[in-house]
Amino acid sequence: GAGVSQTPSNKVTEKGKYVELRCDPISGHTALYWYRQSLGQGPEFLIYFQGTGAADDSGLPNDRFFAVRPEGSVSTLKIQRTERGDSAVYLCASSPEQGYGYTFGSGTRLTVV
Amino acid sequence: AQSVSQHNHHVILSEAASLELGCNYSYGGTVNLFWYVQYPGQHLQLLLKYFSGDPLVKGIKGFEAEFIKSKFSFNLRKPSVQWSDTAEYFCAVNAGYSSASKIIFGSGTRLSIRP
Repeated sequence: GAGVSQTPSNKVTEKGKYVELRCDPISGHTALYWYRQSLGQGPEFLIYFQGTGAADDSGLPNDRFFAVRPEGSVSTLKIQRTERGDSAVYLCASSPEQGYGYTFGSGTRLTVV
Repeated sequence: AQSVSQHNHHVILSEAASLELGCNYSYGGTVNLFWYVQYPGQHLQLLLKYFSGDPLVKGIKGFEAEFIKSKFSFNLRKPSVQWSDTAEYFCAVNAGYSSASKIIFGSGTRLSIRP
């Protein structure tokens, strides 16, 4: 597609529920990144994929967070047993293999009530 | 580990004033440096980037940044701001050894321009 697409744009869930956030990167981009941005903060790195594999997952805050990219294109960020502190905008970005600088999606605003 | 410091949390200027936003990074090796901008209600957009070569980098909308290796700095400048420059600005860095390594962002500087 023309840009990075994230769905849903907004998600409200109850504490303790499970959520999935989807990212559809730019066609042909091999690298895909997930970030989390809280109000008044810069984006915080979570995980990045090179193809189908997670090349660096050092930013995932705990084992409630998991991400997959089974076919090397679309990625899903999964959060189990959501907590109010998980509320944030979750950003996805992609880049070509030899490119510098990402293209970001519009994000998913997650609110845990 | 890499880190990025942005000194100003909120900057308020009048139109036509000159702008300089500070950015310092912490990393001992080769780095790639970026400035991203987030206009109200919009997603992050790349403003400019430095990989190598001329340390003075020109970006979109009249912005430029200068990489000073000895100071670990990459300050953003614009000679004359416009009301439409009101946005949040993020400095970012990634280790230069890999084009796809993670980018670390600063906490951002909110720029408000008085018309």
